[in-house]
Amino acid sequence: GENVEQHPSTLSVQEGDSAVIKCTYSDSASNYFPWYKQELGKRPQLIIDIRSNVGEKKDQRIAVTLNKTAKHFSLHITETQPEDSAVYFCAASINDYKLSFGAGTTVTVRA
Amino acid sequence: DADVTQTPRNRITKTGKRIMLECSQTKGHDRMYWYRQDPGLGLRLIYYSFDVKDINKGEISDGYSVSRQAQAKFSLSLESAIPNQTALYFCATSDYSIQYFGPGTRLTVT
Repeated sequence: GENVEQHPSTLSVQEGDSAVIKCTYSDSASNYFPWYKQELGKRPQLIIDIRSNVGEKKDQRIAVTLNKTAKHFSLHITETQPEDSAVYFCAASINDYKLSFGAGTTVTVRA
Repeated sequence: DADVTQTPRNRITKTGKRIMLECSQTKGHDRMYWYRQDPGLGLRLIYYSFDVKDINKGEISDGYSVSRQAQAKFSLSLESAIPNQTALYFCATSDYSIQYFGPGTRLTVT
């Protein structure tokens, strides 16, 4: 099955700086790559996703890039704010519904 | 997000007991899922269902069973709970690619 590795496991950034989380996947047939954010004590929620026919996607301060050749994708958060503090999960799927998640990255934004 | 609800929200049970976790949704989605979350392991898929007659195992289905009673209801059962099933359990629904999670059930097996 699909194996998704996520790094780093924890990330501390100064408010206003950028944060980058990287994921690699094993199954070259994967074509859907969502990112979920889980605030403390809350449920995971989708923040952005990308499909394999697109190399980059942006939504305000967040962006995702995909390198199919290297089988890795990354989440970029610019101008970080305290409300960006959360656990972020990447995932990969060959069919949109059966997601394989990474282990998660705990992001802390320091004021 | 009250569209996906789970009961109970917290449960402590003893080894060997049978327990059922319930999930209901008002989103009208056909697809429903059960995940467990453990620190350092992310979210792992236990079972998923496309409709009441279509139920599929995920990556960690051993020790669990499910029932899809209706389009809106999907239950997860632990037939004989063991301590390593202590975890946070999430139900989710989707109509296509975006999955909407419930609030979670924190289960402790002593």
